[in-house]
Amino acid sequence: DAKTTQPTSMDCAEGRAANLPCNHSTISGNEYVYWYRQIHSQGPQYIIHGLKNNETNEMASLIITEDRKSSTLILPHATLRDTAVYYCIVRDPGTASKLTFGTGTRLQVTL
Amino acid sequence: DTGVSQNPRHKITKRGQNVTFRCDPISEHNRLYWYRQTLGQGPEFLTYFQNEAQLEKSRLLSDRFSAERPKGSFSTLEIQRTEQGDSAMYLCASSFGTGFTEAFFGQGTRLTVV
Repeated sequence: DAKTTQPTSMDCAEGRAANLPCNHSTISGNEYVYWYRQIHSQGPQYIIHGLKNNETNEMASLIITEDRKSSTLILPHATLRDTAVYYCIVRDPGTASKLTFGTGTRLQVTL
Repeated sequence: DTGVSQNPRHKITKRGQNVTFRCDPISEHNRLYWYRQTLGQGPEFLTYFQNEAQLEKSRLLSDRFSAERPKGSFSTLEIQRTEQGDSAMYLCASSFGTGFTEAFFGQGTRLTVV
């Protein structure tokens, strides 16, 4: 699975959009980008995934650059409950059975 | 369905003792995963079952660790002769189908070895 690079931490004001970047410059053609988050003392929670097109669901939007070497997770209106560690993971769903987590980005949403 | 259930939530044990954790996945989920997480780190993969077959094990899973999923439903993770370095959160996840499908995680079992 390709390696990902994320900032260690970010702050966001409540009600504003939180934009979390992820670099995956060695991503291969079959690998998808997945995002999970982990709120303190809980297990990780799936957010969204994509291959090359932008994706949106009820939780977030995922913007993947045309060359697929980076992506951004967008939480359109962050709330205090979005404070968590966000993990960007790249994997090939056809060959990999596991998720390889890095250290993620710690997002702090403040009043 | 209440999601992935892990028991116990917390376990304190003395060094050298054996411990066993249980994971009940979401009903009909054929895939089950165990991860370990230490403070400040992301979860690390330990092992993976498809139905009752253990298909992959990390080298992190030393010979003191054993996992089973005897009937393809619940799973147990046993650690023998615990060491202080085994102190961590042990997470279980399950998913359904083949290829990528969303993995649902339990709340974990926090092990403290004293």
